[in-house]
Amino acid sequence: GESVGLHLPTLSVQEGDNSIINCAYSNSASDYFIWYKQESGKGPQFIIDIRSNMDKRQGQRVTVLLNKTVKHLSLQIAATQPGDSAVYFCAEMNTGNQFYFGTGTSLTVIP
Amino acid sequence: DGGITQSPKYLFRKEGQNVTLSCEQNLNHDAMYWYRQDPGQGLRLIYYSQIVNDFQKGDIAEGYSVSREKKESFPLTVTSAQKNPTAFYLCATGFGYEQYFGPGTRLTVT
Repeated sequence: GESVGLHLPTLSVQEGDNSIINCAYSNSASDYFIWYKQESGKGPQFIIDIRSNMDKRQGQRVTVLLNKTVKHLSLQIAATQPGDSAVYFCAEMNTGNQFYFGTGTSLTVIP
Repeated sequence: DGGITQSPKYLFRKEGQNVTLSCEQNLNHDAMYWYRQDPGQGLRLIYYSQIVNDFQKGDIAEGYSVSREKKESFPLTVTSAQKNPTAFYLCATGFGYEQYFGPGTRLTVT
């Protein structure tokens, strides 16, 4: 079966610093990946996505990097703000068009 | 959350009772999904529907049932056969590769 995992369950960063959240996936055939942000008691919010034919994609203050060689995905948040505190998790879509979700990393921004 | 509503936000039930969670969308998306979220675990797919009057079991469908009589609605019933029903339930709609989540319903069964 699929497995999507995160290297670190928690991450604390100083306000203004950059954050990097990592994700490992196991299915080399997965062709689409998403990062979600989930605040406490709320539904996940889409942050950024990337297709397997790309290795980098940038959004506003966020960058996703995809390394297909080692099946690794990362989310970089620039100039982290208190409002960025949340759980972040990745999701991969396999060839059957089903999503598999990681367990999440809890990001805490220290003012 | 966009055009996806889930109600109620919190739901309490006694063990042995069936309970139905509501999910409504006005995004005109064909696909709808139900996920369960437990602490320390990733979202797990319960059921999904790609089109009206059709739905498929996900990875953990046992003890759950759904219907898709209208494009806008995809209610989930948690039956008494579900051994550990207490969880946070998330409904989502799909458009192409993207999924959009509702605000969730926290179900507590005692």
